[in-house]
Amino acid sequence: DIVMTQTPLSSPVTLGQPASISCRSSQSLVHSDGNTYLSWLQQRPGQPPRLLIYKISNRFSGVPDRFSGSGAGTDFTLKISRVEAEDVGVYYCMQATQFPLALTFGGGTKVEIK
Amino acid sequence: QVTLKESGPVLVKPTETLTLTCTVSGFSLSNARMGVSWIRQPPGKALEWLAHIFSNDEKSYSTSLKSRLTISKDTSKSQVVLTMTNMDPVDTATYYCARIPIGGSGSYLADVWGQGTTVTVSS
Repeated sequence: DIVMTQTPLSSPVTLGQPASISCRSSQSLVHSDGNTYLSWLQQRPGQPPRLLIYKISNRFSGVPDRFSGSGAGTDFTLKISRVEAEDVGVYYCMQATQFPLALTFGGGTKVEIK
Repeated sequence: QVTLKESGPVLVKPTETLTLTCTVSGFSLSNARMGVSWIRQPPGKALEWLAHIFSNDEKSYSTSLKSRLTISKDTSKSQVVLTMTNMDPVDTATYYCARIPIGGSGSYLADVWGQGTTVTVSS
């Protein structure tokens, strides 16, 4: 199975400052159809996960534009341009490229306010 | 509005079989693009994928848990059912179902999640 490794484990950020989370996969996430099925999810305290970004850099419906995704192959990054209080939570990267389908998640990165 | 809702027992005993139901609305399980996955999260820990059922009834399972899992669906009831045998305290977790469309530009993304159901395994 593809292993997803996230860094850092925790990211204390000052309100209004940027935050960056890295995710590395144990093998290329380029699918046979040419797409890269790497998503980012946000989980606020006490809530289910919520899709933020899909296929590396596409913001899902309703996601603020301060969230952006980038990367290719095995290395990916989620950036929050200016952290707001509502951004507190745990962020996960998720791959869905593996065939037969087998989703795997990173270990999570906790974003908290300093 | 697309929703998924998990239901099942709150408490199960070790060695028992867990049966969870995901009831969906706002889309059809017979839609060629629509699949549903089960994902769990032990307290304070990361997400772990368990199983997926495709629109054509094909199934995919976690390698490490495959021997204990069965996923099925009842399209007429809009339900996806997961059974997990031989439950152990380490299986204590919140269990989520999520929709995963396959085909088209919005593929392989877990776009809608249920609220989750918490299961404790204890004697």
